[in-house]
Amino acid sequence: DTAVSQTPKYLVTQMGNDKSIKCEQNLGHDTMYWYKQDSKKFLKIMFSYNNKELIINETVPNRFSPKSPDKAHLNLHINSLELGDSAVYFCASSQSRGGEQYFGPGTRLTVT
Amino acid sequence: GQSLEQPSEVTAVEGAIVQINCTYQTSGFYGLSWYQQHDGGAPTFLSYNALDGLEETGRFSSFLSRSDSYGYLLLQELQMKDSASYFCAANTNAGKSTFGDGTTLTVKP
Repeated sequence: DTAVSQTPKYLVTQMGNDKSIKCEQNLGHDTMYWYKQDSKKFLKIMFSYNNKELIINETVPNRFSPKSPDKAHLNLHINSLELGDSAVYFCASSQSRGGEQYFGPGTRLTVT
Repeated sequence: GQSLEQPSEVTAVEGAIVQINCTYQTSGFYGLSWYQQHDGGAPTFLSYNALDGLEETGRFSSFLSRSDSYGYLLLQELQMKDSASYFCAANTNAGKSTFGDGTTLTVKP
């Protein structure tokens, strides 16, 4: 009965590959987010969806494409992976926009 | 634009009180949140202030002054398990959350 779950937990891949990370929340929340946390622990918002609609799209390379098939799921697809994409990616959800956010356990992506 | 400033590191001893300050410059500011993150873990929500004043939740309290664009997190009766990173996050009325760079708190015996 995990509130926000992500798969996979670890992802090791080579430069140039395409990969996806999946996120699901069972809290009934309307808003979901993707964050990137780099090696210095800086946490940056990438995207936010409210009821399957994209509401925030930060300055992120268009190799990153989020998809929300329904309001409980928000997936992240990354094309042509680069070394600089190595980071921990967190999914989160909240009942209202910008409110108390519940984070998933994170996906540690390593690009070699 | 959005920017937040908080100290990078704070050290204190068990049983002490520590205050982590956060100043922000945020267009469309709506409220200030605080999150705790242990090494290898995910951020977890601690507190939220939308109005001026103090919010108390057990050993943790958070304060906001909108006129000063300033807030703080107060941790009392520090325990070793409080060693973690603490992030303030400014929320906007457009639903965006901008996180500060985090404060690493080290609690010593």
